[in-house]
Amino acid sequence: KAGVTQTPRYLIKTRGQQVTLSCSPISGHRSVSWYQQTPGQGLQFLFEYFSETQRNKGNFPGRFSGRQFSNSRSEMNVSTLELGDSALYLCASSLAAGSRSDIQYFGAGTRLSVL
Amino acid sequence: AQSVAQPEDQVNVAEGNPLTVKCTYSVSGNPYLFWYVQYPNRGLQFLLKYITGDNLVKGSYGFEAEFNKSQTSFHLKKPSALVSDSALYFCAVRDRDGGSQGNLIFGKGTKLSVKP
Repeated sequence: KAGVTQTPRYLIKTRGQQVTLSCSPISGHRSVSWYQQTPGQGLQFLFEYFSETQRNKGNFPGRFSGRQFSNSRSEMNVSTLELGDSALYLCASSLAAGSRSDIQYFGAGTRLSVL
Repeated sequence: AQSVAQPEDQVNVAEGNPLTVKCTYSVSGNPYLFWYVQYPNRGLQFLLKYITGDNLVKGSYGFEAEFNKSQTSFHLKKPSALVSDSALYFCAVRDRDGGSQGNLIFGKGTKLSVKP
């Protein structure tokens, strides 16, 4: 079974631009969560989607948004990029959002560099 | 508020020696606890989780973790370290009860270095 796939693996953008990251979950998984990983802040939760609905949101500004499609694939968008948005963005999928004991399986991430 | 603390930024171990990576947690209710490992330029790989029952949990690659409710700890252990175990290890907690958002909260990570 294929794992979580994130595209692209690397992105370079300039300040003020916007960016869209994509995540394809493991087949059969309906919940997708997004995390930002930086050396200073570690892993921080962005949001969680289940059945095309955002179920949970972390403490990030409105420039960060996401969506989930009917096939459970998810995208996250960052508008008006700032230097501090440079990070590794990780997507994780799990079977369902309702079970807190579910294991989250992570993709390899998208490395975003903002210049 | 939920939180996870990994008190050591780095742990150095000689190959063949036992290793311990420490984790303490704070949740309002009962916890679900997880350990993940991250190799360079890779995502996180699941190692093991504690749900309920036996306090000693066995996971992948010979790792195990001991849940201690009174000390609110969930330390990761391995009897004999391998050079290939060198990586970044994350502890994570999720509140079992419904009073919080329910997302995973991660510690800052501990870099494990195993020398030959």
